[in-house]
Amino acid sequence: DTGVSQDPRHKITKRGQNVTFRCDPISEHNRLYWYRQTLGQGPEFLTYFQNEAQLEKSRLLSDRFSAERPKGSFSTLEIQRTEQGDSAMYLCASSFVGQQETQYFGPGTRLLVL
Amino acid sequence: GNSVTQMEGPVTLSEEAFLTINCTYTATGYPSLFWYVQYPGEGLQLLLKATKADDKGSNKGFEATYRKETTSFHLEKGSVQVSDSAVYFCALTSNSGYALNFGKGTSLLVTP
Repeated sequence: DTGVSQDPRHKITKRGQNVTFRCDPISEHNRLYWYRQTLGQGPEFLTYFQNEAQLEKSRLLSDRFSAERPKGSFSTLEIQRTEQGDSAMYLCASSFVGQQETQYFGPGTRLLVL
Repeated sequence: GNSVTQMEGPVTLSEEAFLTINCTYTATGYPSLFWYVQYPGEGLQLLLKATKADDKGSNKGFEATYRKETTSFHLEKGSVQVSDSAVYFCALTSNSGYALNFGKGTSLLVTP
């Protein structure tokens, strides 16, 4: 298993465009998380899934953001009508339900909105 | 909600020096505590964790002890190497128990 993967690694878009990111978790992991990290800050939680159910959403996740995990495997994060303030690194993590579960992070997708 | 505060960097040390990065937390209940590390150009990696009071997490020569009485989880290493240069993040589980809440990170530079 090669760990959590994210695609694309970099995305440049113009303000107002829609973008979609993909995350493939570690295969046996049933929890999947999205975080956002801006320069000089720690990651901030956006949302998480257990299997295909989205169980928690941060207030950071405005109505322009939507996340899905249709078959309980990979997940997508879409941002509609991007704004310059959306420029950040978007991180995905996965974990396995159980005692002392640990979140394993992917390399991230760096978004730049011009 | 649950939160952590960690010392601001950058921290610059000479090789073989002793390292301490302070982290204190505010929480309800009994969160798990973590240190993650981000090497230049790489993703976040779990360095160590502790799930209950008085637990000591350790890995690669780094240690941190979950201190409930002082609400702290300070990261220590007895002798740092140049390869330890990275950004270190303290984190804890949120009130819901699932998400992680991170500190702002502490940049460490170790010089030869």
